Amino acid sequence: EIVLTQSPATLSLSPGERATLSCRASQSVSSYLAWYQQKPGQAPRLLIYDASNRATGIPARFSGSGSGTDFTLTISSLEPEDFAVYYCQQRSNWGYTFGQGTKLEIK
Amino acid sequence: QVQLQESGPGLVKPSGTLSLTCAVSGGSISSSNWWSWVRQPPGKGLEWIGEIYHSGSTNYNPSLKSRVTISVDKSKNQFSLKLSSVTAADTAVYYCARVNGVNGHYMDVWGKGTTVTVSS
Repeated sequence: EIVLTQSPATLSLSPGERATLSCRASQSVSSYLAWYQQKPGQAPRLLIYDASNRATGIPARFSGSGSGTDFTLTISSLEPEDFAVYYCQQRSNWGYTFGQGTKLEIK
Repeated sequence: QVQLQESGPGLVKPSGTLSLTCAVSGGSISSSNWWSWVRQPPGKGLEWIGEIYHSGSTNYNPSLKSRVTISVDKSKNQFSLKLSSVTAADTAVYYCARVNGVNGHYMDVWGKGTTVTVSS
């Protein structure tokens, strides 16, 4: 099983600041990594797929990078609606696994 | 666009079987996509349960494989989850989701989720 480790667990920032979230895989996942945003009481929402492609309707302030085992989700300038929990996810021969999540909270 | 809606009992007794259905609207379950179930225990992260293709091919999370059955009903445009021998640890919000493409690696459409509590 491929384990995804996200850091930090919690990130406290203010609107307008830049957010950098990390996801590290226990072995290479090539570029097959996705990022999701989840707000309280809501289903996850796909943000980024294949490491760097924005999903339909996702604002340009969201960007993804990385390959192999190290990946980053960057939010260039935080809007109030961006404060949520973010998960990374990969698919391997053993199925899908998710990271444990990074909670992005208002400072 | 494609929408997913989960349904099923919100309360299941310990040792019983959890049964949920995901109705697909705005598209065909026979399209070139896999269809997944994902769950989230209260206050915790996401766990993939398994997936099915319209042909009936399935893949399951190895940690749940012995208790999970996912099936598809093309006539009703829906797919279903059965989880047997449930315990309190199976209490969670259960989501159905569409995997993008035949060789997809991510889930691009999600249902709103349904809460299942395991309790006597």
